[in-house]
Amino acid sequence: QVQLVESGGGLVKPGRSLRISCAASGFTFSDFYMSWIRQAPGKGLEHISYISTSGTTKYYADSVRGRFTISRDNAKNSLYLQMDSLRAEDTGIYYCARTPATRADLDYWGQGTLVTVSS
Amino acid sequence: DIQMTQSPSSLSASVGDRVTISCRASRSISNYLNWYQQKPGKAPKLLIYAASNLQSGVPSRFSGSRSGTDFTFIISSLQPDDFATYYCQQSYSSPGTFGQGTKVEIK
Repeated sequence: QVQLVESGGGLVKPGRSLRISCAASGFTFSDFYMSWIRQAPGKGLEHISYISTSGTTKYYADSVRGRFTISRDNAKNSLYLQMDSLRAEDTGIYYCARTPATRADLDYWGQGTLVTVSS
Repeated sequence: DIQMTQSPSSLSASVGDRVTISCRASRSISNYLNWYQQKPGKAPKLLIYAASNLQSGVPSRFSGSRSGTDFTFIISSLQPDDFATYYCQQSYSSPGTFGQGTKVEIK
């Protein structure tokens, strides 16, 4: 069955860096665009980044562009988000999700990893 | 960016009720509109994609439709498991913006 498992979240001070990961299984990872979506405590959903199947195309929301970097390793069935210059407003649950080929939705999501930015 | 205006922000309903949630896009997004369900402490779950297509395994009491830039999500007969927050999302252009969410509570 399809599984997406995020890891690497935690408490980090403002201005510091953190890398979170998403391990995929149960499907051919290299066939799917992958995304990161975050949710601030008690708030709605924000689609912050996606990456194409080969990794050549990347998108970032304005709120994270220049500070966050998405990447993937198809050999390891893994997705990553390098987060630099973290701010308090980056606090939230970070979900990875996949997009099926020929579609534009997010059909499977991981359980999320909590990132807390605080001094 | 395309703005998604979802309404209502919350509603109270009873088991068996018909529930309707609306989402309006700030400009044309064709059929690139998806609906998700999120329960407390859980990840969102895809229910409807491309405005009206039921995701595999999702009960048929859930449905979606489009009229221009207005989209409607319907639960035909609310079940106890359906009390949750529902989000629309446009996937026509990046960023794939979400509506503000509709919390469906027990009356």
